[in-house]
Amino acid sequence: GAVVSQHPSWVICKSGTSVKIECRSLDFQATTMFWYRQFPKQSLMLMATSNEGSKATYEQGVEKDKFLINHASLTLSTLTVTSAHPEDSSFYICSARRRGPGGNQPQHFGDGTRLSIL
Amino acid sequence: AQSVAQPEDQVNVAEGNPLTVKCTYSVSGNPYLFWYVQYPNRGLQFLLKYITGDNLVKGSYGFEAEFNKSQTSFHLKKPSALVSDSALYFCAAMYNFNKFYFGSGTKLNVKP
Repeated sequence: GAVVSQHPSWVICKSGTSVKIECRSLDFQATTMFWYRQFPKQSLMLMATSNEGSKATYEQGVEKDKFLINHASLTLSTLTVTSAHPEDSSFYICSARRRGPGGNQPQHFGDGTRLSIL
Repeated sequence: AQSVAQPEDQVNVAEGNPLTVKCTYSVSGNPYLFWYVQYPNRGLQFLLKYITGDNLVKGSYGFEAEFNKSQTSFHLKKPSALVSDSALYFCAAMYNFNKFYFGSGTKLNVKP
């Protein structure tokens, strides 16, 4: 169990385009979903934390208007990169925490989305 | 500030030999500790976690990790490495039941 599906896995698009990435927890309800960005040969950088039905909490330095996050249900969160530019090219990974007792649930990760802006 | 350190960018080991990937964490509070593995162009896969109790935690694929409070370490270990274990490994600490802090990652190379 604890499968997280992320779609699409690879996107190539022109500068100025908006791109939406979906993150779904397939077999569990996720109280919280996280969005990360990973640069080559580097660790994951947390961009934002989203809780179902409430506004996302963005990390310092992440532009809210640039990276729109919607967490409409306990199984779906979306990240929209608005007016994408080449510097937004990166590997974006989502994760979800299972709804359950206690605070020690691990995060379960999607397979990531490789975004390339031309 | 909370942080996680993985002092080795890369670890090389021969197949069949034991492996250790090191991780230390900052001492603020009592974090929950996790290990994840990442294969190329994939997300992270959960290996194991330490919450409380026995200091030696066993996880997936024969991996285990030892929690050492006095050294604030949580090193990942495996008695006998496989070529298929070659991947990127991340240590993470969770504070306040929510936010994860990831280490910088260690690339494990297992040579036949």
